Amino acid sequence: DAKTTQPTSMDCAEGRAANLPCNHSTISGNEYVYWYRQIHSQGPQYIIHGLKNNETNEMASLIITEDRKSSTLILPHATLRDTAVYYCIVRAFTGANNLFFGTGTRLTVIP
Amino acid sequence: NAGVTQTPKFRVLKTGQSMTLLCAQDMNHEYMYWYRQDPGMGLRLIHYSVGEGTTAKGEVPDGYNVSRLKKQNFLLGLESAAPSQTSVYFCASSYSTSLGRETQYFGPGTRLLVL
Repeated sequence: DAKTTQPTSMDCAEGRAANLPCNHSTISGNEYVYWYRQIHSQGPQYIIHGLKNNETNEMASLIITEDRKSSTLILPHATLRDTAVYYCIVRAFTGANNLFFGTGTRLTVIP
Repeated sequence: NAGVTQTPKFRVLKTGQSMTLLCAQDMNHEYMYWYRQDPGMGLRLIHYSVGEGTTAKGEVPDGYNVSRLKKQNFLLGLESAAPSQTSVYFCASSYSTSLGRETQYFGPGTRLLVL
């Protein structure tokens, strides 16, 4: 699975959009980009995933660049409950389906 | 549905003691996983199971054993606990590795302190 690089921490004002970047320059053609988040002391929670098209669900949007070497997770209207560590994970559908977590981005939503 | 549950929530062990962590899921998932998370780090896979009666090693399996006797349960055992096993343990489950069924659902975690 490709390695990902994320900023260590970010702040976002409540009600504003939070844009969390992720670099995955070694991504292969069959690897998907996944985002999970972990609210303090809880188990990780799935947010969204995509291959090459932009994706949107009730939680967030995922923008993947045309060359697929980077992506951005967008929380359109951040709330205090969105304060968490966000993990960008790149993986293919082979093997155990285990997720390789890095250290993620700690997002703090400020009132 | 309760989702993924873990017992106990917290445990203190002395070096050399043994214990078993229980994970249960009520979503009829085939795949189950055990991860550990050390302070300030991401999760690392210990062992996983792709179905009842089958288990396999993950990234950091040493010092742990697992069993999947029933589809809904995945047990993680520490035969002789060491301080290096102080961590938060998360269990997860998923349907399979097929696109659309691969989302992992995590339990609330078990905090283990080995003195």
